[in-house]
Amino acid sequence: KNEVEQSPQNLTAQEGEFITINCSYSVGISALHWLQQHPGGGIVSLFMLSSGKKKHGRLIATINIQEKHSSLHITASHPRDSAVYICAVLSYNTDKLIFGTGTRLQVFP
Amino acid sequence: EAQVTQNPRYLITVTGKKLTVTCSQNMNHEYMSWYRQDPGLGLRQIYYSMNVEVTDKGDVPEGYKVSRKEKRNFPLILESPSPNQTSLYFCASSYSGTRSSPLHFGNGTRLTVT
Repeated sequence: KNEVEQSPQNLTAQEGEFITINCSYSVGISALHWLQQHPGGGIVSLFMLSSGKKKHGRLIATINIQEKHSSLHITASHPRDSAVYICAVLSYNTDKLIFGTGTRLQVFP
Repeated sequence: EAQVTQNPRYLITVTGKKLTVTCSQNMNHEYMSWYRQDPGLGLRQIYYSMNVEVTDKGDVPEGYKVSRKEKRNFPLILESPSPNQTSLYFCASSYSGTRSSPLHFGNGTRLTVT
C-alpha cells in the first residue's frame, strides 16, 4: 500500500462545478504540499500546509492531522484548471517528501 | 524573473555515454533537489542538498551523482546512463527546505536512453 493515496485518480467536470480531490497518508508528517502539473509538464506549487486551511483565489486546501487526510477544493472550475494535481507529504521521521501519483482533472466547457 | 532553469529540455543519448543535466536557481534558495517522474510511480526524489557542499541521497539515487559547489547550481550527472533511466526529470528549489517553504520547479528534462 502506498504511503500517500490520492482519490480519485481521474476526474472530469463541467465548467463551474465544485471539485474535491482527496489525499490520505499513513505516515507522520511535518508538512503537506499540493502541486499542479500542467499538460506541458511544468509543476507549480499551490499550497504548503501543516494545519487548518488555506485559500488562494478559487482554490482551498484543508488538512486534518488527526485523520491524516487533506483535501483540495476548486470552486467554479474552469477549463484552465485541467491538470494533474499532486499531493506530497514531508515525512516527520525521514524528512523526505513522499508523493502521491496524482489526480488527473479535466474540466469541459 | 525568479526561476529554476533546467537544461536541456529534451535529451536522447545512448547507453554508457556520460551526461549532465544542469539546474540553476536565481532566488538564493538553500534547498535544491532532483526528482524523476515515471508513469504510475509519480515523482521520486533522487538527491537533495540543504546547502553548499551538503548533499544527501533520496529514494532512488543509484546511477546518479550530484554536486553543490555553488548555491545557485545543482547539476545531475549520469556517469553511465542505462535505458531504465529514461524518464522525466525535475529540479526544484526552496528557500529553507520542504518543511517550511514551497518548492519551485524547473520545466523538466525528458531523457531517453537507447
